[in-house]
Amino acid sequence: DTEVTQTPKHLVMGMTNKKSLKCEQHMGHRAMYWYKQKAKKPPELMFVYSYEKLSINESVPSRFSPECPNSSLLNLHLHALQPEDSALYLCASSQDEGGTYNSPLHFGNGTRLTVT
Amino acid sequence: GQSLEQPSEVTAVEGAIVQINCTYQTSGFYGLSWYQQHDGGAPTFLSYNALDGLEETGRFSSFLSRSDSYGYLLLQELQMKDSASYFCAVRALTGGGNKLTFGTGTQLKVEL
Repeated sequence: DTEVTQTPKHLVMGMTNKKSLKCEQHMGHRAMYWYKQKAKKPPELMFVYSYEKLSINESVPSRFSPECPNSSLLNLHLHALQPEDSALYLCASSQDEGGTYNSPLHFGNGTRLTVT
Repeated sequence: GQSLEQPSEVTAVEGAIVQINCTYQTSGFYGLSWYQQHDGGAPTFLSYNALDGLEETGRFSSFLSRSDSYGYLLLQELQMKDSASYFCAVRALTGGGNKLTFGTGTQLKVEL
């Protein structure tokens, strides 16, 4: 079990659907992240929120829309996805956005998304 | 841009010692981290090096040489449960901000 909770665990959606991925942490972390991971590949950074403000958008297509309602919650809204968007979507949090020993990333178990 | 290279696969026997190398190219380097990911699981943090030298945490040690843009993860007394993917990750300050970029990953297989 991890301290970062993601729902749902699995999601199948059509290309015309709208769905949302949810992520929650109660460790008091102030930075939250979305990563995308394809099979046998490393996690790829999508978005970073720091103190509830979007600080990094890695040129992600607009069909992915992040939202940070408060310091514990992070959402990823999905609309008009393509089959190539099928992947494991990982949420992570860290104490802050810094790179020190005290700010390792804590990952959730991910949402496995299939776009049909 | 940033790039991090690792061997794709390493195989070792239980009880042995294995070293997983990572070479990186980046600007604005802060430090090198290592993460472990079992199949179907979440990546979990193992270690972090900001300065040159060796950091030891139980059976795992990590080394960094900033001048060589090189690091490695050393796993001792290998156990079957160590079979997993291992990722090095660079924390760097880029034009887009402070972010963590993962290496290509090394799949470690521990055999009896």
